[in-house]
Amino acid sequence: DVKVTQSSRYLVKRTGEKVFLECVQDMDHENMFWYRQDPGLGLRLIYFSYDVKMKEKGDIPEGYSVSREKKERFSLILESASTNQTSMYLCASTFGTWGNQPQHFGDGTRLSIL
Amino acid sequence: DAKTTQPNSMESNEEEPVHLPCNHSTISGTDYIHWYRQLPSQGPEYVIHGLTSNVNNRMASLAIAEDRKSSTLILHRATLRDAAVYYCSDGGSNYKLTFGKGTLLTVNP
Repeated sequence: DVKVTQSSRYLVKRTGEKVFLECVQDMDHENMFWYRQDPGLGLRLIYFSYDVKMKEKGDIPEGYSVSREKKERFSLILESASTNQTSMYLCASTFGTWGNQPQHFGDGTRLSIL
Repeated sequence: DAKTTQPNSMESNEEEPVHLPCNHSTISGTDYIHWYRQLPSQGPEYVIHGLTSNVNNRMASLAIAEDRKSSTLILHRATLRDAAVYYCSDGGSNYKLTFGKGTLLTVNP
């Protein structure tokens, strides 16, 4: 089975801190995604990557950046955390170049910015 | 912008079929339709996907309208373990999926 592992289940940080969320997948998937999930808003795409060092903005990239130095690892960076970035963050990965493969999700990181 | 809409909540009785609807108002010809479900404290789990024709797997069936503007996830006999938030989505031609806001399914014993 595909395993997508997010480094922390819960994280508490302070306003203005630089925050790193890490995601690792073990199935050699080309594509990796970061979403945030908020009540009543569903899943919203922040950034995705279709290859090492390649990235594309999703629907809500403001305040975030990403890094993909190795195929299995995709990092989400909050350059200067703010309280409105308190949310559940979900990482996903998928194989192939079209939407005919399922996305595999991690269990999420619940991030609180105080 | 892509628009994927679904009801906020639905209720079913145990061992009865459940039909979860989704509208895909801006789907394009090459976009796949995916369904996922999410249990409390877990990430979303893949359920089923398809392009044009109806699809079946061990978890569910997916019915896709002829014009592809709507889809229905069918759980043939709901169990208490099927209580979850169900997300429909479409996309893929540009690597990404656009998700609906989810339908909370309650299953009554």
